[in-house]
Amino acid sequence: DAEITQSPRHKITETGRQVTLACHQTWNHNNMFWYRQDLGHGLRLIHYSYGVQDTNKGEVSDGYSVSRSNTEDLPLTLESAASSQTSVYFCASSESRMTSTDTQYFGPGTRLTVL
Amino acid sequence: ELKVEQNPLFLSMQEGKNYTIYCNYSTTSDRLYWYRQDPGKSLESLFVLLSNGAVKQEGRLMASLDTKARLSTLHITAAVHDLSATYFCAVIIQGAQKLVFGQGTRLTINP
Repeated sequence: DAEITQSPRHKITETGRQVTLACHQTWNHNNMFWYRQDLGHGLRLIHYSYGVQDTNKGEVSDGYSVSRSNTEDLPLTLESAASSQTSVYFCASSESRMTSTDTQYFGPGTRLTVL
Repeated sequence: ELKVEQNPLFLSMQEGKNYTIYCNYSTTSDRLYWYRQDPGKSLESLFVLLSNGAVKQEGRLMASLDTKARLSTLHITAAVHDLSATYFCAVIIQGAQKLVFGQGTRLTINP
């Protein structure tokens, strides 16, 4: 079955270190998204991509970057981790607008702790 | 800027009762989504509402959309414990494929 996976599922790192969170989907979806979830804030969009070589900033993009070199993967990099980036990170994907309801399907999440 | 507000944010109810969660949004949109999240888990898609007056039902949950009022409701009928979860509504930004989420409603159903 097609799916969306994230790795690692849990990560503890230190302030100032570079961290990369992986997201891989096998639905062949064009659109991919990264969110962070924090108590009291719901889900907030970090970065998103509509296809290979396309990346866009979301609502809370400072300190994060993404790259899209193929359809299946959208890794999220924290350039220099800060304690404020302690959160649960969700990756999601959806088909393009022309053919679907745009429903986003979510990965299992990565819990990141920055000490 | 599109804002999405849910209320209530916390809801504790007894099994067998009916209740409604409200989702208001601030600017025009043509699609609204409801998701469920269990503690420590990912988000599961429940409903997609695509037009004014749309109504979708699955078991004890029914969602509706009024685009003129910019309001969606998620109605729970004869609640059971298994429906305890956090429910999110999300609205798509017109002309884009990005979602803006509400804060979530944490629903607890007590026996």
